[in-house]
Amino acid sequence: DVKVTQSSRYLVKRTGEKVFLECVQDMDHENMFWYRQDPGLGLRLIYFSYDVKMKEKGDIPEGYSVSREKKERFSLILESASTNQTSMYLCASSNRVGTSGNTIYFGEGSWLTVV
Amino acid sequence: AQKVTQAQTEISVVEKEDVTLDCVYETRDTTYYLFWYKQPPSGELVFLIRRNSFDEQNEISGRYSWNFQKSTSSFNFTITASQVVDSAVYFCALMGNAGNMLTFGGGTRLMVKP
Repeated sequence: DVKVTQSSRYLVKRTGEKVFLECVQDMDHENMFWYRQDPGLGLRLIYFSYDVKMKEKGDIPEGYSVSREKKERFSLILESASTNQTSMYLCASSNRVGTSGNTIYFGEGSWLTVV
Repeated sequence: AQKVTQAQTEISVVEKEDVTLDCVYETRDTTYYLFWYKQPPSGELVFLIRRNSFDEQNEISGRYSWNFQKSTSSFNFTITASQVVDSAVYFCALMGNAGNMLTFGGGTRLMVKP
């Protein structure tokens, strides 16, 4: 079974704090993604990674960074959390680039509130 | 640029009714892929179907069916004899030929009442 696991389902952080959202997949997928979901805006891509230590900016990378030290793990980092980063964050993974059309599998999401 | 539009933000039906969720897309790619995902209240996006641009054959899976029409750039999703468990937000998404990234529509919230 496909499994993408996000370490925290619900977090409350203070403005200015550094926040780590962790994601692990057990399918040996090359690609991993971080999306943000907001009402009325659907899902928007923050960053993606197609290999260990590789990363590419998505549509809304400002205020975020990512880390991929191991193939199965992709971390989203908010260096200094702000209230406009209150949102639902979804991690996803898929097979390697070049096999376009591969299905992207999602985790359960992490609800982050910044106060 | 790619774009996916789900004009219906919210639909409410009574159990056993049929319901169709609309999806219209824009892309300049000649090869592309269309997806539907279901997001129940738990939050996880559940993959439902993937369809490539060369295959316009409609698909049926149990109570679910999909109508892909390239001429109108639409990929509509119909649930027959809806059930309360179908209540969720449904997302249509597009993947172009360039890579593996998805462009999502805004989602349609379906509420099925008993």
